[in-house]
Amino acid sequence: QSALTQPASVSGSPGQSIIISCTGTSSDVGGYNYVSWYQQHPGKAPKLMIYDVTDRPSGVSDRFSGSKSGSTASLTISGLQAEDEADYYCSSYRSSSPYVFGTGTKVTVL
Amino acid sequence: EAQLVESGGGLIQPGGSLRLSCAASGFPVSSNYMSWVRQAPGKGLEWVSLIYASGNTDYADSVKGRFTISRDNSENTLYLQMNGLRAEDTALYYCVRSSKGLRLLDYWGQGALVTVSS
Repeated sequence: QSALTQPASVSGSPGQSIIISCTGTSSDVGGYNYVSWYQQHPGKAPKLMIYDVTDRPSGVSDRFSGSKSGSTASLTISGLQAEDEADYYCSSYRSSSPYVFGTGTKVTVL
Repeated sequence: EAQLVESGGGLIQPGGSLRLSCAASGFPVSSNYMSWVRQAPGKGLEWVSLIYASGNTDYADSVKGRFTISRDNSENTLYLQMNGLRAEDTALYYCVRSSKGLRLLDYWGQGALVTVSS
C-alpha cells in the first residue's frame, strides 16, 4: 500500500502563496474526488483543512484552497502566515483501501 | 462538542498484546465511520483500521490478521485489539471520526503511544 507522493518541504515568505502537490494514480486521486488535506503542528493531532478536493470545513481560513488535475491534487496556502508553519498531509480514497495518506510536506515560513 | 480520548497505550514486548480504547462524547460512534490511524516517531500518517456504521470492518495489509477493531455502542467506545505486536507497530495511535463516510477524517483524538520493544 504505497503512499501518495508529496514534496518533502515547501517554503515561502509571509504574505506569499505556496502550493503543495499530492500525486497518486487513477486508482486513488485520479479516480475519485475524495481528496482531503490535514495540517499537523508539532506534538498535535492532525486537523482537517480541505475535503472533497475543494471544500473547507467550517472555521478553516479561506486562505486554504484545494484543486485537482488528473492524478495530482494541490493545496494552496495564500497570504502565508507564521502560524501556517506545520506538516501537511493529503489523503485519498483508493480502490483497495479506504484511506491512503501522502508522504507529508513540511511547510516553513521564512 | 465532539471529544475523543484514547487510552491503553504503553510499552510491550514483541509478540505481546495490547488493547487501545477510545472514549467518545458528543456524538454516537455507532452512526459514524471510526478509524485508527497511526504515526511512527518522526514519520507520516498511516491508516490502520476502520469500522463502518454498519459494523463491517477493514484493515491495512500491515495489520490484517493481527489487529481487531470493535466498538461498544452502549459505552460509546471504540477499541483496537493488537496481537502479535512487532517493533514496526511502535507509533502514536489516533482514534478518528468520519462524519461523512470515506470523504474525510474530521475529528482526531490526541493519540495513545504504543512502544514495542524488548
